Amino acid sequence: GDSVTQMEGPVTLSEEAFLTINCTYTATGYPSLFWYVQYPGEGLQLLLKATKADDKGSNKGFEATYRKETTSFHLEKGSVQVSDSAVYFCALSANTGFQKLVFGTGTRLLVSP
Amino acid sequence: GAGVSQSPRYKVAKRGQDVALRCDPISGHVSLFWYQQALGQGPEFLTYFQNEAQLDKSGLPSDRFFAERPEGSVSTLKIQRTQQEDSAVYLCASSLEGTVRGGELFFGEGSRLTVL
Repeated sequence: GDSVTQMEGPVTLSEEAFLTINCTYTATGYPSLFWYVQYPGEGLQLLLKATKADDKGSNKGFEATYRKETTSFHLEKGSVQVSDSAVYFCALSANTGFQKLVFGTGTRLLVSP
Repeated sequence: GAGVSQSPRYKVAKRGQDVALRCDPISGHVSLFWYQQALGQGPEFLTYFQNEAQLDKSGLPSDRFFAERPEGSVSTLKIQRTQQEDSAVYLCASSLEGTVRGGELFFGEGSRLTVL
């Protein structure tokens, strides 16, 4: 079945450091790919998405590119802030039927001043 | 309301008790999803409604779990005879239309169930 694998955390960075969180997937066909973020005390919210190969999703300085050849959707940010501290989830949904999301296990990011 | 609302936020149950978790989706959203999130894990799909129709319940872990959405808006997830392994955060999500490729799901803050 479909699955998502993402790097284990926590990832600990200093403010203004470069961030990469790796995500790879296994799926039949051409899924849509997502990054959701969960800030402390809040619900999951969509950070960015890409629906086809080579698409780049971006939001709030974060970027991820849909790489079909490597089945990856790595999350990057050039300069993290303390306010980026959260848990980040990579997810996919199949390109048919309803939007049933398959999530990775999440990666906790801790940014210190 | 502005977002997806879930209640109760926290529930402690003794093993064997029945519990009911409520989800109030964003007004007008056709699709509603329930997910289960164990500690340190990603959310796992439980069930999906399109309006009042439960179109997929393949993720429900046992027949002790039951979900309904009788009028196509508010949904209730019921767990009968709770067991310790049911302890988790139960997330509700809604979307405007459930089959749009790449469509966004809006999540509630979750109901944290602890079974003693």
